[in-house]
Amino acid sequence: KAGVTQTPRYLIKTRGQQVTLSCSPISGHRSVSWYQQTPGQGLQFLFEYFSETQRNKGNFPGRFSGRQFSNSRSEMNVSTLELGDSALYLCASSWLQSTGELFFGEGSRLTVL
Amino acid sequence: DQQVKQNSPSLSVQEGRISILNCDYTNSMFDYFLWYKKYPAEGPTFLISISSIKDKNEDGRFTVFLNKSAKHLSLHIVPSQPGDSAVYFCAAIISYNTDKLIFGTGTRLQVFP
Repeated sequence: KAGVTQTPRYLIKTRGQQVTLSCSPISGHRSVSWYQQTPGQGLQFLFEYFSETQRNKGNFPGRFSGRQFSNSRSEMNVSTLELGDSALYLCASSWLQSTGELFFGEGSRLTVL
Repeated sequence: DQQVKQNSPSLSVQEGRISILNCDYTNSMFDYFLWYKKYPAEGPTFLISISSIKDKNEDGRFTVFLNKSAKHLSLHIVPSQPGDSAVYFCAAIISYNTDKLIFGTGTRLQVFP
């Protein structure tokens, strides 16, 4: 069974640009969540979606947004990039059993210059 | 406010010995506690979890202990193997229709021969 697929794996942007990251969950999973990993900060929750509805949002500025499509695929967008947005962005999917057992993709590593 | 804390950024253990990774939390509303393992260039993978109503859960070489009065949990790996070398993240969830995990900052475990 295919795992969580994230694209692109690596990308470089400059300050002020915007970026869109994509996530395809495991087949049958309807819950998708996004996390940001930076050195020293661990993984921080960005937002989660279930059946195209945003259920929860973390403490990130409005420049960070996301959406989920009817096939459960999800995208996140970061506008007006800042140097501090350089991070590994991880997508995870689950059956939403709320036990915390998530299946993560390999992540999209964003570098902002 | 760091609700989940891993105070040891790194740990080095000899192969065959016990590895003990520690985690402290502040929110008594957490329902589940989990450990995830992460290798470089890969997404985190679920390792083991424990419900807040239990004090121990075991899975092969991995055992998680929960001390609710001290708001402390630990992961024991016995015996440690070189393949266990990775970053270990402690995480917690308040389980009500959500996949929102609160992660610690991680502990890098190195198991040497």
